[in-house]
Amino acid sequence: DTAVSQTPKYLVTQMGNDKSIKCEQNLGHDTMYWYKQDSKKFLKIMFSYNNKELIINETVPNRFSPKSPDKAHLNLHINSLELGDSAVYFCASSRIGGEVGEQFFGPGTRLTVL
Amino acid sequence: KNEVEQSPQNLTAQEGEFITINCSYSVGISALHWLQQHPGGGIVSLFMLSSGKKKHGRLIATINIQEKHSSLHITASHPRDSAVYICAVRPWNSGNTPLVFGKGTRLSVIA
Repeated sequence: DTAVSQTPKYLVTQMGNDKSIKCEQNLGHDTMYWYKQDSKKFLKIMFSYNNKELIINETVPNRFSPKSPDKAHLNLHINSLELGDSAVYFCASSRIGGEVGEQFFGPGTRLTVL
Repeated sequence: KNEVEQSPQNLTAQEGEFITINCSYSVGISALHWLQQHPGGGIVSLFMLSSGKKKHGRLIATINIQEKHSSLHITASHPRDSAVYICAVRPWNSGNTPLVFGKGTRLSVIA
């Protein structure tokens, strides 16, 4: 019954590899986000999708490519991984209307690039 | 300078103490969130405020829109309240702009 789920929870990989992180929400929300939390625990927006369309793309290297096959899923694909990509990545979702913008977070994916 | 500033950065309290964490922001906002991140890493939304005050159990959140300031209070603190508390704002734009986060306040409550 998890509202926002991410897989995998931990990801350890070598520099230069390509990897994906998956996110799914079963809340019926129409907006999904990817946030990055660095080693100093600071959270920052990477991408925002509304109804499968990209609406926010912050200054993120184009090695990061989000893909939204449907409203319930927002996956993050990372090419040519670098040491600096090591962080915890959080997916979140929210909806318009009601408690506008209240965001529900996934459990996070800890990515370690060696 | 970050658009969202929290104080203090670190806070150690004895069990039972009344705790206040402050958040100031510099942009116009449509809502302010207080989030809790436990040592295990998961993030939980505690409150979303656009005005006034909200209370949930031992937690109280207030916001002063004119002063661009919010506080999170914990009454009768307990060791299980130990976590990082993060203030985040939704800049005034449209309904679902992403959040801008403060750097968090690390709270340790000692028994």
